[in-house]
Amino acid sequence: EVQLVESGGGLVQPGGSLRLSCSASGFALSSYAMHWVRQAPGKGLQYVSAINYNGDSTYYADSVKGRFTISRDNSKNTLYLQMSSLTAEDTAVYYCVKDRWRWLAVPGLFDFWGQGKLVTVSS
Amino acid sequence: QSVLTQPPSMSGAPGQRVTISCIGSRSNIGAGYAVNWYQQLPGRTPKLLIHDNKNRPSGVPDRFSGSKSGTSASLAITGLQAEDEADYYCQSYDSSLSGSVFGGGTKLTVL
Repeated sequence: EVQLVESGGGLVQPGGSLRLSCSASGFALSSYAMHWVRQAPGKGLQYVSAINYNGDSTYYADSVKGRFTISRDNSKNTLYLQMSSLTAEDTAVYYCVKDRWRWLAVPGLFDFWGQGKLVTVSS
Repeated sequence: QSVLTQPPSMSGAPGQRVTISCIGSRSNIGAGYAVNWYQQLPGRTPKLLIHDNKNRPSGVPDRFSGSKSGTSASLAITGLQAEDEADYYCQSYDSSLSGSVFGGGTKLTVL
């Protein structure tokens, strides 16, 4: 059974940093591209970042470029999102999402979603 | 503002047919990029509903169908059921943004 379990969320002050982790099981993480998608409270889905199967290709939405870094450790079956210079606009549930393909396909095809982890940026 | 425009809300009675539109432009749907649809039930995580414009993953009822024409795409639900009450999102790729994009979402209410 495919499982994606996010961790590392919580409350952080504006300007602070936080790292999200996503532990994958039930499939070979090393064979698939992965994504982060967020959803602000009561709002729609927003695409955040992507990484191909081996980590040598990444993508960032303009809203997080230069502040967020996506990475993966296939040996640990784990995806990461390092977030810095956080603002209130980054408050959201962050979903770890599996792609059907190993490359950064156009468009991405999100065939399995984690349960999400809430990140709250507030003083 | 989403580059893919969906109606914020729609409603229908049980058994009826509803169609949710997703209007894009020449830099996304109109450029030939595929459209995917996701269903998010209340309090739940999104689930892939339709991929590559019209294909249903295993386990998705054939009451759900997708289509694409020009710069827009549509999700049709026939024989509406109470359990179809959810938020629906379209998703594609935008060449101007060089990344995937979502529509703003449509909240479907079953009367």
